[in-house]
Amino acid sequence: QVQLVESGGGVVQPGRSLRLSCAASGFTFSSYGMHWVRQAPGKGLEWVAVISYDGSNKYYADSVKGRFTISRDNSKNTLYLQMNSLRAEDTAVYYCAKPRQLLWFGELSHWGQGTLVTVSS
Amino acid sequence: EIVMTQSPATLSVSPGERATLSCRASQSVSSNLAWYQQKPGQAPRLLIYGASTRATGIPARFSGSGSGTEFTLTISSLQSEDFAVYYCQQYNNWPPVTFGQGTRLEIK
Repeated sequence: QVQLVESGGGVVQPGRSLRLSCAASGFTFSSYGMHWVRQAPGKGLEWVAVISYDGSNKYYADSVKGRFTISRDNSKNTLYLQMNSLRAEDTAVYYCAKPRQLLWFGELSHWGQGTLVTVSS
Repeated sequence: EIVMTQSPATLSVSPGERATLSCRASQSVSSNLAWYQQKPGQAPRLLIYGASTRATGIPARFSGSGSGTEFTLTISSLQSEDFAVYYCQQYNNWPPVTFGQGTRLEIK
């Protein structure tokens, strides 16, 4: 069965960096585009970034563009989110998510359990 | 960017009754609309995609309808496990994909 396991969250000071990982199993990781979606405490869902199956194409939400970088290592079945210049408003649970189909942008059928990032001095 | 607006923000319904949740898009998203359920401390769960197709394992009491800019999620007979927050998401015009702000379904 599909499993997505995020890690790397924690407490970080404003302006610092953090890298999240998402270990995938149970499906052919290298065939699927993958997403990061975040949720601030008590708030709704916000899409963050997507990467194509081979890593050649990436898109970002305006709120993170220029500060966050999505990447993947298909040999390790792992998705990453490098977060630089962190701000208090980046505090959220970060989920990695897999589309149901091989289309990058579609419904997200599988989600990890999330990892909490807290940006605070 | 397409803005998704859900109504109401909170819906109070008794177990066994029907719940109707609405989602409106700021421009047409065709049928490229999904619904998710989220319970406290859990990740979202895909319920409906393509506006009206139930995802794998989703009970038949959940149904979706609509196209273009107006969509509805109906839960025909509420069970205790259905009380949660529900989000709609469009994936017709991207990036970005966008989510509604959510409807909290609570026990009356």
